[in-house]
Amino acid sequence: KNEVEQSPQNLTAQEGEFITINCSYSVGISALHWLQQHPGGGIVSLFMLSSGKKKHGRLIATINIQEKHSSLHITASHPRDSAVYICAVNPSKFVSYNTDKLIFGTGTRLQVFP
Amino acid sequence: KAGVTQTPRYLIKTRGQQVTLSCSPISGHRSVSWYQQTPGQGLQFLFEYFSETQRNKGNFPGRFSGRQFSNSRSEMNVSTLELGDSALYLCASSLAGRSPLHFGNGTRLTVT
Repeated sequence: KNEVEQSPQNLTAQEGEFITINCSYSVGISALHWLQQHPGGGIVSLFMLSSGKKKHGRLIATINIQEKHSSLHITASHPRDSAVYICAVNPSKFVSYNTDKLIFGTGTRLQVFP
Repeated sequence: KAGVTQTPRYLIKTRGQQVTLSCSPISGHRSVSWYQQTPGQGLQFLFEYFSETQRNKGNFPGRFSGRQFSNSRSEMNVSTLELGDSALYLCASSLAGRSPLHFGNGTRLTVT
């Protein structure tokens, strides 16, 4: 079983729809990242969070540490949101120092149609 | 501010050869980490450097190595290339670890 699980694996939506991508993890963590990868490979960091909720434009990320679960929401989706969204965690056994070691989920491929 | 720069973008090598990939982090960033992405295994952590010291290493054979220079630039080396080493190799930098990561565009390595 993967230590970081994402659902769904694939998601299609019509422009304007509200989208939710879920991430569950089974290890202790010090932080969780949401990443966006466009065709061609470049990755952009969307959020890094260790508690609560963060918002950036139409994107919202939440995390529930007790339930080991995070969600990424996209409001008013647009075709330019089409990408692979990846959840990744910093495992907490490295909490004694800051680390960029990440365990990755397998990604959610989102396609938004006009 | 310039982003993370990886060179080369594309590389084709034959089995048994070795390869060196380069990563220049964002100015002021001291932590550089490397990741491998393949269709079968997805994204996996390779190693992480901070102030010229390897701080963490992923579960990869010793053929994979790296180093960081005093200006924070990093290189990774893969010796005795195997077909399975074909992948997108991504580098990321951060200020000091466990802070927002900035990724390069990657080096796509094809081993024939």
